[in-house]
This record gives sequence, C-alpha cells and structure tokens, in this order.
Amino acid sequence: EIVLTQSPATLSLSPGQRATLSCGAGQTVRSNCLAWYQQKPGLAPRLLIYDASNRATGIPGRFSGSGSGTDFTLTISRLEPEDFAVYYCHQYGTSPLTFGGGTKVEIK
Amino acid sequence: QVLLVQSGAEVKKPGASVTVSCKASGYTFTSYEINWVRQASGQGLEWMGWMNPYTGNTGYAQKFQGRVTITRNTSESTVYMELSGLRSDDTAVYYCARGPEVLFLKGPLDVWGQGTTITVSS
Repeated sequence: EIVLTQSPATLSLSPGQRATLSCGAGQTVRSNCLAWYQQKPGLAPRLLIYDASNRATGIPGRFSGSGSGTDFTLTISRLEPEDFAVYYCHQYGTSPLTFGGGTKVEIK
Repeated sequence: QVLLVQSGAEVKKPGASVTVSCKASGYTFTSYEINWVRQASGQGLEWMGWMNPYTGNTGYAQKFQGRVTITRNTSESTVYMELSGLRSDDTAVYYCARGPEVLFLKGPLDVWGQGTTITVSS
C-alpha cells in the first residue's frame, strides 16, 4: 500500500499568515490522484482539493494544491480564523486507498 | 442537495456484530461508489472498503477481510456496512463517503455522512 507521510504534525501560525503543508508518498501516486481534506472537531472531513491541484466546489481561492509523483503540497495563502483545523492528504489512485496521518494547523 | 445520512450510535459487546446504514439522497444512487472510512478517537482516517451500488461489486482493505461486509438496497438508496467479531480497538467513528462515478473508477471522496460512533465495551 502507498504510505503517505504528512509534515509537520503541527503548524502554529497566526491569522493572516501563509500555511504550507506537505504530503510525501512512499510510491508514485497514479495520475496525481491526491486529495486534501479539512476536518474540524466533531465533524466529517471536507474535500478541499482533488487531483492534486483542483479546488472542490465552494472552496475559497486561498486554498491551493500542487505537486506530482511523490511530493504534494497544500497551501493556504492567508489563514482565516475558520481555517484552524486538521488537514489530511489522501491517495485514491491505487487500492487500498490510504490517508496521511494529518497536520494540525493551530493558532499561535 | 447531495446528502448521506447514517444510522445512530451503538454500543456493542466484544465479539458482537454491528451494522451501520448510509442513506443517500440528492443524486442517482447507483451512479457513484460508496466507501467506508473509520476514525478512532484522536486518530487519523482509515479506509475500510467500497461498493459499486450499480453492480453490487465490493472491495475491502486487507485488514478487514473476513470481518466486514458491505451491501446495498437500491430501492432504499441505502448502503450497509457490517463489521463482525468486534474488539475494543474497533471503537471509532465510522463514515460513509461518496466516491467516484462508477464509470470513472477513480475519484476523491466528495460527500461524507455525519459519522456513526460505535463503542465496543464489555
């Protein structure tokens, strides 16, 4: 299975700052089938980015995804108060589907 | 509005089985895969398996092979996930999530149910 490693585990930032989250894959992710999700306490994950760089419907433009092969990045250009949450990467190109361990973006 | 609505929380004893339902609305039920993902408290997301509601075909993560069964009732637009031989480490929130269109085979999980808490305790 494809192991996804997210870094850092925790990112402490202030509103208005830029957040850069990384996701590394143990093998090439087929067709860049890589998604990012946001999860807040007590809620289900919410799809932000799919196919590595496409924003899902209704997702603000401050969220962007990039990368290919084994290295992927989620960037939040300017953090809003509602962006403090846990973020997961997910590959769906190869079965079994796998998720990264998550990056918590917390208020500094 | 696309919605997945799951059944309510359950408490089960070790060794028992549990079935969680996931009712879809707002789209053509047989056109999209349904996946199951679980999350233990404070932990990450773990994929369990998928179903093609059109064909009834399923696939399971190796970890759950032999313990998990995914079925559907197309007339009710509902998918069911049964987990047997429950252990304490099966205590988690279980989510259903809509996958890709069945013709495309690959796609993200774009709509999620609200989650069902399953507690396994003697």
